[in-house]
Amino acid sequence: EAGVAQSPRYKIIEKRQSVAFWCNPISGHATLYWYQQILGQGPKLLIQFQNNGVVDDSQLPKDRFSAERLKGVDSTLKIQPAKLEDSAVYLCASSPVWLAKNIQYFGAGTRLSVL
Amino acid sequence: GDSVTQMEGPVTLSEEAFLTINCTYTATGYPSLFWYVQYPGEGLQLLLKATKADDKGSNKGFEATYRKETTSFHLEKGSVQVSDSAVYFCAFLSGGYNKLIFGAGTRLAVHP
Repeated sequence: EAGVAQSPRYKIIEKRQSVAFWCNPISGHATLYWYQQILGQGPKLLIQFQNNGVVDDSQLPKDRFSAERLKGVDSTLKIQPAKLEDSAVYLCASSPVWLAKNIQYFGAGTRLSVL
Repeated sequence: GDSVTQMEGPVTLSEEAFLTINCTYTATGYPSLFWYVQYPGEGLQLLLKATKADDKGSNKGFEATYRKETTSFHLEKGSVQVSDSAVYFCAFLSGGYNKLIFGAGTRLAVHP
């Protein structure tokens, strides 16, 4: 079974530029998550989708971050404009169904450096 | 609020040494608990989990027991290998939205 795919693996941009990350979850997984992992910290949830609907985006900085999950499969996370503090690894995860004890499967992440 | 406190790293051990990584959590109710591992250049992988009090999760020689009384979920391994070198994250599921709350991670370095 193929895992969660993310691209690009690395991205370097200057502050105030825009950037987008792509995630393809495991086939058939209804729930998709985006996490932000700042160096030296654990991942923090930014947004959670159930199929193509947003379940939780309470920690998403909506003035600059946006995300969509068209057709309930692939997802894109965008930052516009980027700030220095957005430098982090952005992790995508998916799980089969929306159950309280379900396991989340993670992709390798996209490492963003904002200069 | 919900949080996880992990033992600070890095933890440096010789091969075949005993490993303990402490983890305590603050949460409402009795959440499911997890240990995830992140090998260099790779994504997070589930190492083990426990879903109720006194459950013991185990995998690849690692073990952790869900201690409700002390709100702890310490990770142990009797004999570490060089290949166990990685960052280990303790986490739990928060609330009804299946949100994982992670600790800051503990880096383990095992040398021959």
